[in-house]
Amino acid sequence: AQSVSQHNHHVILSEAASLELGCNYSYGGTVNLFWYVQYPGQHLQLLLKYFSGDPLVKGIKGFEAEFIKSKFSFNLRKPSVQWSDTAEYFCAVRRETSYDKVIFGPGTSLSVIP
Amino acid sequence: DTGVSQNPRHKITKRGQNVTFRCDPISEHNRLYWYRQTLGQGPEFLTYFQNEAQLEKSRLLSDRFSAERPKGSFSTLEIQRTEQGDSAMYLCASSPQTGNQPQHFGDGTRLSIL
Repeated sequence: AQSVSQHNHHVILSEAASLELGCNYSYGGTVNLFWYVQYPGQHLQLLLKYFSGDPLVKGIKGFEAEFIKSKFSFNLRKPSVQWSDTAEYFCAVRRETSYDKVIFGPGTSLSVIP
Repeated sequence: DTGVSQNPRHKITKRGQNVTFRCDPISEHNRLYWYRQTLGQGPEFLTYFQNEAQLEKSRLLSDRFSAERPKGSFSTLEIQRTEQGDSAMYLCASSPQTGNQPQHFGDGTRLSIL
């Protein structure tokens, strides 16, 4: 069965600090990978996705993620966070050949202090 | 806004009552998904429709839960004889059938069981 783990439950950073959120998944086949963000009181929004090609993908709001197949990892990064990045971040995986369920990690709560 | 629409936003009911939620997907999205999210956790897959056909159901979906999508457009999720453990956010998502597309999420329906 597929599963997703996220390294940190809660991260607290000061503005302008660099961010890296760890994500690992367990599935031996080809996968699609996603990072979703949930701002307070809002719905889940797609930050970025990886389907194939360049393992370094860029998303909205200056976020990027790197897919390392050998490590089953898809870590999210941002060089300089802002207070408005305070949110819950979810890593997710889906089997490439399946259009059904997306398996989500437990989430990482990011708090950015002004 | 033509995003995924869910109603009601919040439902409070007594234990043992039946509740029904509605999801209107993005127009022309053939695929529709239901997830459940509890506090501090990522969304968990419940069930998936392609048009009106329910193609997969999670073990989380006990016999008290039933989902329908009779005309392949909107969907309903009914919970019978609600229990305390059913308190959660119920999320709906949709995606187009063509290509490998990410899912778009609604705001969710928060269910509180008294």
